[in-house]
Amino acid sequence: DGGITQSPKYLFRKEGQNVTLSCEQNLNHDAMYWYRQDPGQGLRLIYYSQIVNDFQKGDIAEGYSVSREKKESFPLTVTSAQKNPTAFYLCASNRGGLEFFGPGTRLTVL
Amino acid sequence: DQQVKQNSPSLSVQEGRISILNCDYTNSMFDYFLWYKKYPAEGPTFLISISSIKDKNEDGRFTVFLNKSAKHLSLHIVPSQPGDSAVYFCAASAGMPHLQGGSEKLVFGKGTKLTVNP
Repeated sequence: DGGITQSPKYLFRKEGQNVTLSCEQNLNHDAMYWYRQDPGQGLRLIYYSQIVNDFQKGDIAEGYSVSREKKESFPLTVTSAQKNPTAFYLCASNRGGLEFFGPGTRLTVL
Repeated sequence: DQQVKQNSPSLSVQEGRISILNCDYTNSMFDYFLWYKKYPAEGPTFLISISSIKDKNEDGRFTVFLNKSAKHLSLHIVPSQPGDSAVYFCAASAGMPHLQGGSEKLVFGKGTKLTVNP
């Protein structure tokens, strides 16, 4: 089945450590996105990529980094510079107006 | 400053009745509006959209109404079913948003948790 896979579902890290969240899609979508959701908040855009080897900052990119070396993959690294990393992270992809969200990764910083 | 506001964090209705979820926006440049539905521990799914050239869009049990002068939109679900219980996000953009194939960023509201009681 085609879709978006995010792994792991739950992730714990110690304060000060970098951590990378995986997002893979087999939908052949050109565009991919990372959103963050906090309790009682809407989704906020972190980074997006319209095409391989290109990506742009969203509204809250500070403390995050991404890469887009392959069409299928758009990993998000949460760095130690991110002041409040505990959140639910959602990856999405789009092609021609059809969009899909992944199941999300809940990151908890201990 | 919140540009998209969903002032009711939760709503509870009886099965078979109408659910009305409200959303207000402040940015007059917004001209494309979407509703997403989200179950716990899942990603949001697109529900219905409306552009500012219309004041109503209907898809089955779901209808979105747009009042541009009041900068207000609402989602009506008739009849409501227990499976509709979820968090509903309103989102807006100035132009066709990324997630719909365009180039503009979506601004999301905080969501309204709908509970439909059997």
